[in-house]
Amino acid sequence: ETGVTQTPRHLVMGMTNKKSLKCEQHLGHNAMYWYKQSAKKPLELMFVYSLEERVENNSVPSRFSPECPNSSHLFLHLHTLQPEDSALYLCASSQGGASTDTQYFGPGTRLTVL
Amino acid sequence: AQKVTQAQTEISVVEKEDVTLDCVYETRDTTYYLFWYKQPPSGELVFLIRRNSFDEQNEISGRYSWNFQKSTSSFNFTITASQVVDSAVYFCALIGYGQNFVFGPGTRLSVLP
Repeated sequence: ETGVTQTPRHLVMGMTNKKSLKCEQHLGHNAMYWYKQSAKKPLELMFVYSLEERVENNSVPSRFSPECPNSSHLFLHLHTLQPEDSALYLCASSQGGASTDTQYFGPGTRLTVL
Repeated sequence: AQKVTQAQTEISVVEKEDVTLDCVYETRDTTYYLFWYKQPPSGELVFLIRRNSFDEQNEISGRYSWNFQKSTSSFNFTITASQVVDSAVYFCALIGYGQNFVFGPGTRLSVLP
């Protein structure tokens, strides 16, 4: 595997389900990010982790819970989501924690909340 | 506040035509970086280019070229002799020190055979 991978690629869940999105980067980077891409809206930064510590939480509802067990893996735990949470969730990584580093993105998880 | 505007929501061209995607940005930072990403139907954002605010030289990479003009706060992207595989959504993005990425709304490019 190379680059940034995300699983699953597609996920359909009910509002009472609990699920997790997984991101893995094979680039030796130290920072990882979660973004939300909704239809007809700009990409929204959700969380930033640098050296496994959360450095940014962009006013995201608590029904989204990130976890970064090491510099290569990032999870997004989902529970009691709303239909408006349906979106493409993109993971990215960058070399360092500096905000100006180029970010490399995974293919995303297409989430549908029923 | 930082802002990126991509005024063209959708563009359609016929294969082999040249096409320019516009990007206008706003920032109060003196040091910042500009990016272009391509998002094909598969969903992955593909990094195309990164430029810093002190380097206004235009750049060419194959059929791709970028025109950075600080005087007009623009960072336009031109594809020469477009191909069907260029069909995607293209995002311009801006970041300054201590800031987060700010993405434009994207321009959907359709290249017709």
